[in-house]
Amino acid sequence: KAGVTQTPRYLIKTRGQQVTLSCSPISGHRSVSWYQQTPGQGLQFLFEYFSETQRNKGNFPGRFSGRQFSNSRSEMNVSTLELGDSALYLCASSLGLAVGELFFGEGSRLTVL
Amino acid sequence: AQKVTQAQTEISVVEKEDVTLDCVYETRDTTYYLFWYKQPPSGELVFLIRRNSFDEQNEISGRYSWNFQKSTSSFNFTITASQVVDSAVYFCALRTISSGSARQLTFGSGTQLTVLP
Repeated sequence: KAGVTQTPRYLIKTRGQQVTLSCSPISGHRSVSWYQQTPGQGLQFLFEYFSETQRNKGNFPGRFSGRQFSNSRSEMNVSTLELGDSALYLCASSLGLAVGELFFGEGSRLTVL
Repeated sequence: AQKVTQAQTEISVVEKEDVTLDCVYETRDTTYYLFWYKQPPSGELVFLIRRNSFDEQNEISGRYSWNFQKSTSSFNFTITASQVVDSAVYFCALRTISSGSARQLTFGSGTQLTVLP
């Protein structure tokens, strides 16, 4: 079956702009998590959604937000982009909260100029 | 607080050598899961194994094996007869089933493995 799909794969933005990233989980998976990966900070948890509700949030400013739709697809948004937001944003899906393995997509690589 | 430590930042071996990647974790929870993921240059994190805290049985899958020891809070990963295709960054991760932030995956900093031909 199809894996986790993230779009776009690559994007370039300038400071102050906003960006929306999309994630389609594996069919049947209801939980979607987002992670940020940077060379300096490594992999850091952003948030987790289940049944269209944010269930868990990492230590990121309010400029980072997300949502989940009824079909379990998720989007994350970053407003007022800063240079430090340049990163690989990874989406992971799992069957449920704290259930099973997390399967990751290939990520969206964001560059902020 | 949870923490995962991968002390080896980079490892370089010659093809066919065995290599062990170390992982040490910290958690106050008694029920938790440990994972290993592989990240090739494409960026996707590829799931390798999950282990729960109640199952200390070592596991072997082909050339891969894992040694879980609760007494030393370690979950080490060994690749036998390494191949060039094993070159990647390997991450160890921890997840508990408590509510809130503990449910997230806490990753180690990763080990870059390079297998030379």
